[in-house]
Amino acid sequence: EAGVVQSPRYKIIEKKQPVAFWCNPISGHNTLYWYLQNLGQGPELLIRYENEEAVDDSQLPKDRFSAERLKGVDSTLKIQPAELGDSAVYLCASSLSQGPYEQYFGPGTRLTVT
Amino acid sequence: AQSVAQPEDQVNVAEGNPLTVKCTYSVSGNPYLFWYVQYPNRGLQFLLKYITGDNLVKGSYGFEAEFNKSQTSFHLKKPSALVSDSALYFCAVRDEGATDSWGKFQFGAGTQVVVTP
Repeated sequence: EAGVVQSPRYKIIEKKQPVAFWCNPISGHNTLYWYLQNLGQGPELLIRYENEEAVDDSQLPKDRFSAERLKGVDSTLKIQPAELGDSAVYLCASSLSQGPYEQYFGPGTRLTVT
Repeated sequence: AQSVAQPEDQVNVAEGNPLTVKCTYSVSGNPYLFWYVQYPNRGLQFLLKYITGDNLVKGSYGFEAEFNKSQTSFHLKKPSALVSDSALYFCAVRDEGATDSWGKFQFGAGTQVVVTP
C-alpha cells in the first residue's frame, strides 16, 4: 500500500513569492490534515478536511494561506505571499474517518523563505 | 480544551537499558492517545494507540505504553533500547468528549531520545 505522498520535498523561495504544496493521501482515507512543524516542535494543525469539506480551519492564516481538496482526494496548500516566518516543514496526513483512527503522515515539504 | 505535555525535552539511555518517555494529558471526555516517532527528514510514524480496554498497549518495534487514568498519563516504554531507537517521539491526544474540536489531534512538543552504544 502506498503511503501519503507529498511534493516537493524541499522548496526555497524569496519572501513575497507564492508557493504551493501538494498531497496525495492513502487511498480510502477520507480525512486529510495539513500541519506546520517548526524545528524541534510538534505538528500544529492548519486545516482538516472530511472529504471535500474543510471542517477545521481555525488555525489557518487566511490572509495568506489557502487550501483546497477537489474531489475529496488530492489536496493543495498555498501561501501567497510567503514571509520569512513561514519557513518550516509542512506535513500532510490522512486517516480513516469517524473513529479513533491513527494518522499516516507524508515525508513533509521543507520550506525555506529567504 | 485538550492538551498534552511531554515534560522531558531529551531522554538519554544506554543501549540495552529500559527506555521511558513520559506523557500527560488533559481532556474533558474520554481520551484517545497515540504515540508517534519521527526520524530526521521524515514524517511521523505511528507506534501505538490507546482507545479503550487493557491499560497496557503494545505497538511496533517492541514499544508499549501504559494508560493511567488517575494520573492522566500515557508513558511510552521499551524494555531494552537500541541505538536505532534514537529519534524524536511525540505523544498525541484526541478528546472524544469535545464538541468544539471533535476529531482534532493535539500533539506534544516532542521528546528527543538518544541511545548511546
